[in-house]
Amino acid sequence: QVQLQESGPGLVKPSQTLSLTCTVSGGSISSGDYYWSWIRQPPGKGLEWIGYIYYSGNTYYNPSLKSRVTISVDTSKNQFSLKLSSVTAADTAVYYCARKLKGSSWYDYWGQGTLVTVSS
Amino acid sequence: QSALTQPASVSGSPGQSITISCTGTSSDVGGYNYVSWYQQHPGKAPKLMIYDVSNRPSGVSNRFSGSKSGNTASLTISGLQAADEADYYCSSFTSSTTYVFGTGTKVTVL
Repeated sequence: QVQLQESGPGLVKPSQTLSLTCTVSGGSISSGDYYWSWIRQPPGKGLEWIGYIYYSGNTYYNPSLKSRVTISVDTSKNQFSLKLSSVTAADTAVYYCARKLKGSSWYDYWGQGTLVTVSS
Repeated sequence: QSALTQPASVSGSPGQSITISCTGTSSDVGGYNYVSWYQQHPGKAPKLMIYDVSNRPSGVSNRFSGSKSGNTASLTISGLQAADEADYYCSSFTSSTTYVFGTGTKVTVL
């Protein structure tokens, strides 16, 4: 059974860079069968797709966040990461990592989510 | 990209059927049969309920069904149960090779 677990600071100062890591267990990122994604949800609001990465490093980003987002993968650690630069209070959200089967359009496994608050 | 439009809330009595709409454009919902639906209970991660417009993953009750007409997709829950009370989100692939979620619908069981 695959499991995804987000980790990283729960508090980030405005204008700094938010950094999160998703550790995958029960399956290999290098298998090439999946895309590895980040999705966020501001408190009391809806889901927002951030982007995803393939094990080879190919990335796809939400156009509205593209200038500030970097998603990377570390196959040796079976992890992938999110960096969001120049954060403001509007970036306060629960951040989820999730898995999408290659060739599909849906997310079948999600992490439990981690709340990141942007505040001084 | 703009979020897909869903009604903020839908309610129904136990045993009844309800339908949640998800309206997009020809660049997302209308252009592809790549609409999925997720159920989210408070404090929990979303759970896949429907994929590719009308397909149910293994383990999801057949009380949940999906359809699409033009730029609008729909999720129907029949035989409404207390456990169905949750937030529901649609999602679609887009012509930009990205994904977009709906605004979300809170389902209340009266």
